[in-house]
Amino acid sequence: AQKVTQAQTEISVVEKEDVTLDCVYETRDTTYYLFWYKQPPSGELVFLIRRNSFDEQNEISGRYSWNFQKSTSSFNFTITASQVVDSAVYFCALSEEEGKLIFGQGTELSVKP
Amino acid sequence: KAGVTQTPRYLIKTRGQQVTLSCSPISGHRSVSWYQQTPGQGLQFLFEYFSETQRNKGNFPGRFSGRQFSNSRSEMNVSTLELGDSALYLCASSLTVPNSPLHFGNGTRLTVT
Repeated sequence: AQKVTQAQTEISVVEKEDVTLDCVYETRDTTYYLFWYKQPPSGELVFLIRRNSFDEQNEISGRYSWNFQKSTSSFNFTITASQVVDSAVYFCALSEEEGKLIFGQGTELSVKP
Repeated sequence: KAGVTQTPRYLIKTRGQQVTLSCSPISGHRSVSWYQQTPGQGLQFLFEYFSETQRNKGNFPGRFSGRQFSNSRSEMNVSTLELGDSALYLCASSLTVPNSPLHFGNGTRLTVT
């Protein structure tokens, strides 16, 4: 069965600290896609990154970076020098079929000034 | 480019009633998916439509149904509402390229009393 686990329910950091959000997934398929989404208080889920199962290269986008390790079935997300605007709920998700994402329970990040 | 538009934003209904939610995808997106978000169950996949055909369905009772029109706009309907149907209903659209990122709307907040 497909499953996504985000063990951290809530994280609180002070501005400018680095923070890593963990994501562990389970799937029997060899071809799959992983995603991260951000949900600010407005409710809209904002797409951050997509990674396919054949691409284990880590990615950096500004203050955001992602570490994909197939050997441990993990797809962790790091925010460097966090800012108050980063406060939101972050979701990791797994996709095996069109339009169907399996979401983790989400990690609520609170960045305090 | 306009994002995914969901109407209405808020809805209050009584148990036993039915409700219809509407979603207009991003122009050019032909796939539309629906998700239910609750504090207890998190984000759960309802169904996905492409070219007016339902391609995928989640584990929800038959009271939950949807459809897609020729202009890719979609509606979902919930009949015989139950208290447990209170949730944020999110619509997402995507391009037809396999496993394209989903772009979500702001959601419809349904409260059943």
